[in-house]
Amino acid sequence: AQSVTQLDSQVPVFEEAPVELRCNYSSSVSVYLFWYVQYPNQGLQLLLKYLSGSTLVESINGFEAEFNKSQTSFHLRKPSVHISDTAEYFCAVILSGAGSYQLTFGKGTKLSVIP
Amino acid sequence: EAGVTQFPSHSVIEKGQTVTLRCDPISGHDNLYWYRRVMGKEIKFLLHFVKESKQDESGMPNNRFLAERTGGTYSTLKVQPAELEDSGVYFCASSPRTGTSVYNEQFFGPGTRLTVL
Repeated sequence: AQSVTQLDSQVPVFEEAPVELRCNYSSSVSVYLFWYVQYPNQGLQLLLKYLSGSTLVESINGFEAEFNKSQTSFHLRKPSVHISDTAEYFCAVILSGAGSYQLTFGKGTKLSVIP
Repeated sequence: EAGVTQFPSHSVIEKGQTVTLRCDPISGHDNLYWYRRVMGKEIKFLLHFVKESKQDESGMPNNRFLAERTGGTYSTLKVQPAELEDSGVYFCASSPRTGTSVYNEQFFGPGTRLTVL
């Protein structure tokens, strides 16, 4: 069975500083990888995804994540965070080609951006 | 276009009572999913409907949970009788018919926070 590990439950960072949220997964088969974000009092929103092709994927609001197959990682990075990035971030996987569409999530990382 | 909606947003009940959560997916989405997040834990899959049929219910914790999707539109998740460990946030998500895409994005609702006292 696949699993997702987000080692950091909380990450405080000053505004305009860079941030990296770590995600590692374990799976015996190929997976699709996702980052979801939950802003206060809202549902989860897809931030970015890796299905195939280029291992570096980007979101419209400046986040990027790189799929590293050898390290089974999909870390999320942003070079300069803004107050509005304060939210909880979830890494998730789906087994590719398995016909199952259930997302397996990590425990989430709360990003707090400090003015 | 309206997103996924869930009702109620919060529910506080006593152990042994019954609660019914409702999810209205995005119009036209054949796939509907239920997930749950118990405090301090990860969000976990409960089950997946394709239209009115249960495609995968491998995540349902026990027979106190009953999910339905009559007519293939909205879905309900009933917990009867509720136990303390059922407390958490219940999320619903929907996605379009799979078709030829390798993956269709799951759009999530805001969740229902259930507290069992």
